[in-house]
Amino acid sequence: EAAVTQSPRNKVTVTGGNVTLSCRQTNSHNYMYWYRQDTGHGLRLIHYSYGAGNLQIGDVPDGYKATRTTQEDFFLLLELASPSQTSLYFCASSEWTGGSQNTLYFGAGTRLSVL
Amino acid sequence: GDSVTQTEGQVTVSESKSLIINCTYSATSIGYPNLFWYVRYPGEGLQLLLKVITAGQKGSSRGFEATYNKEATSFHLQKASVQESDSAVYYCGGANSGTYQRFGTGTKLQVVP
Repeated sequence: EAAVTQSPRNKVTVTGGNVTLSCRQTNSHNYMYWYRQDTGHGLRLIHYSYGAGNLQIGDVPDGYKATRTTQEDFFLLLELASPSQTSLYFCASSEWTGGSQNTLYFGAGTRLSVL
Repeated sequence: GDSVTQTEGQVTVSESKSLIINCTYSATSIGYPNLFWYVRYPGEGLQLLLKVITAGQKGSSRGFEATYNKEATSFHLQKASVQESDSAVYYCGGANSGTYQRFGTGTKLQVVP
């Protein structure tokens, strides 16, 4: 069954720490995304990619790097984590049809706490 | 940029009563947006509930329905009779031609006996 798998599911780090969030999709989709979800803000797009080696910025990219190593794998990197990055992170994948984005398929989320 | 607005952060409804969750989609350019409702159950990721790709079209799934009213820019989610199993967080999303989806802030639905 097609799926989006995120790891870890929970992560605690300290201010200034280094964190990598992983995402793998088996949907054969070209596009992958990283969102953060915060109360009162809904989901906000951090970075996305339309293929291996490609990276595009979203609405809230500051403090984040990302890398797409294969069609299946997309990583989000926080090199100097700050408490403001405490959030619930979702990875997703999709196709685009006729120039419009199709349904997003989401992972279960990674809850990150930066102390 | 485009924006999606959900006005209710939390809604409590008695079982078997009707539900409406409001959503408006505002686009900065003329286009033909795809509009979505997603649902998130505790401990899970968001999953598609329904979508529409044409103004005036009605999407429906599991007893929920929503119609995109282009003039009012509305895409409200409705259900005639809710069940306790409908308790979840509902997100409205919209993507105009050539852009990625923006989301509303989410509405937590609590269905009580």
